[in-house]
Amino acid sequence: GNSVTQMEGPVTLSEEAFLTINCTYTATGYPSLFWYVQYPGEGLQLLLKATKADDKGSNKGFEATYRKETTSFHLEKGSVQVSDSAVYFCAPRHSGGYQKVTFGTGTKLQVIP
Amino acid sequence: DTAVSQTPKYLVTQMGNDKSIKCEQNLGHDTMYWYKQDSKKFLKIMFSYNNKELIINETVPNRFSPKSPDKAHLNLHINSLELGDSAVYFCASSQDLRLPHGYTFGSGTRLTVV
Repeated sequence: GNSVTQMEGPVTLSEEAFLTINCTYTATGYPSLFWYVQYPGEGLQLLLKATKADDKGSNKGFEATYRKETTSFHLEKGSVQVSDSAVYFCAPRHSGGYQKVTFGTGTKLQVIP
Repeated sequence: DTAVSQTPKYLVTQMGNDKSIKCEQNLGHDTMYWYKQDSKKFLKIMFSYNNKELIINETVPNRFSPKSPDKAHLNLHINSLELGDSAVYFCASSQDLRLPHGYTFGSGTRLTVV
């Protein structure tokens, strides 16, 4: 079946530190890959996406590259800010038919000044 | 302009009551969803409608009944509420269930059953 594994949180970083949140998935076919962010008290927002192998999605300084060979889509940011504190969800959208999304368990990021 | 709006934002009710949550999207999307998020932030899909047709109906108690009067609206009715129904419920929409588009989420309805 389809599944996604994210690193467990919380991840606590100082401002301007480098961020990596790991995400790996299992799927039949070639899913499209998404990262969503949920700020406290809000709904999820689409952060970035990649739809085919070697594509890089980017937004607000965050990046993730679709790695077909390792079935991974790790989220990175070079210098985090306090305002990046949120929960981040990796979400493959599986190909074929009605493309069901599998959300990861979420990784909470806390950035301290 | 709110893209996906849910009402109410907060709902506190007693066990055994019946309640409804409403969702509307003004994006012209074809597909709408209901998700349940528990206290550990785990998201579970409940239902999906594509152009008013039920597409996804996960293992959800039949006390939960979705209704889609048109493709811009997807409401969730819950009968005989139980303590375990306490969670945040999110409505979402996407352009087409068969294409790799992202979802747009509402801001959630926090349901507390006492």
